Amino acid sequence: DTGVSQDPRHKITKRGQNVTFRCDPISEHNRLYWYRQTLGQGPEFLTYFQNEAQLEKSRLLSDRFSAERPKGSFSTLEIQRTEQGDSAMYLCASRSGTGNTEAFFGQGTRLTVV
Amino acid sequence: QKEVEQNSGPLSVPEGAIASLNCTYSDRVSQSFFWYRQYSGKSPELIMSIYSNGDKEDGRFTAQLNKASQYVSLLIRDSQPSDSATYLCAVNRGSGNTGKLIFGQGTTLQVKP
Repeated sequence: DTGVSQDPRHKITKRGQNVTFRCDPISEHNRLYWYRQTLGQGPEFLTYFQNEAQLEKSRLLSDRFSAERPKGSFSTLEIQRTEQGDSAMYLCASRSGTGNTEAFFGQGTRLTVV
Repeated sequence: QKEVEQNSGPLSVPEGAIASLNCTYSDRVSQSFFWYRQYSGKSPELIMSIYSNGDKEDGRFTAQLNKASQYVSLLIRDSQPSDSATYLCAVNRGSGNTGKLIFGQGTTLQVKP
């Protein structure tokens, strides 16, 4: 296991379509985070899981967004009825749950809504 | 006021010089501080973490933290063209240690050969 893996790397979709992204964290990491990054900005927190429990959701995460981590391993982020404003890089990060530890990011999924 | 603030730059330095990147944060109870490097079109890559006041050195990189002033910086010695990237300051806020990171907007560094 060499790091956090995200799939797909790129996604182009038409407005109104649903999309789903996958994140596979580093295997021993029980905490998983989703962030969104738009051009010229730093990543913004969307949601966080500890094992399979979703413990926090940002106000940025509208009702069209849902995230799951069913077995405490990989996670999915789904966007329903995509809008052009959803175009961004979606980043997944993981870390272990104890003490001051560092978060490592996957390669990201770049979403373009046309 | 943004929770984590950085000068967006660009900061331009000649090859071999010291690059100094600065970051301020507003939440006094923040515990952990990180610097990530991000090349254009790529994801953030962790380069330094710092948790206590003072300096922390790793190779050509030195992170400095001053909690009283709510200030964290990154020094890059002997800057190389390959250091040209956006540097993101991130703060783990609060005492609950959820690990959620609050990022600044990033400082773009240009190292000129």
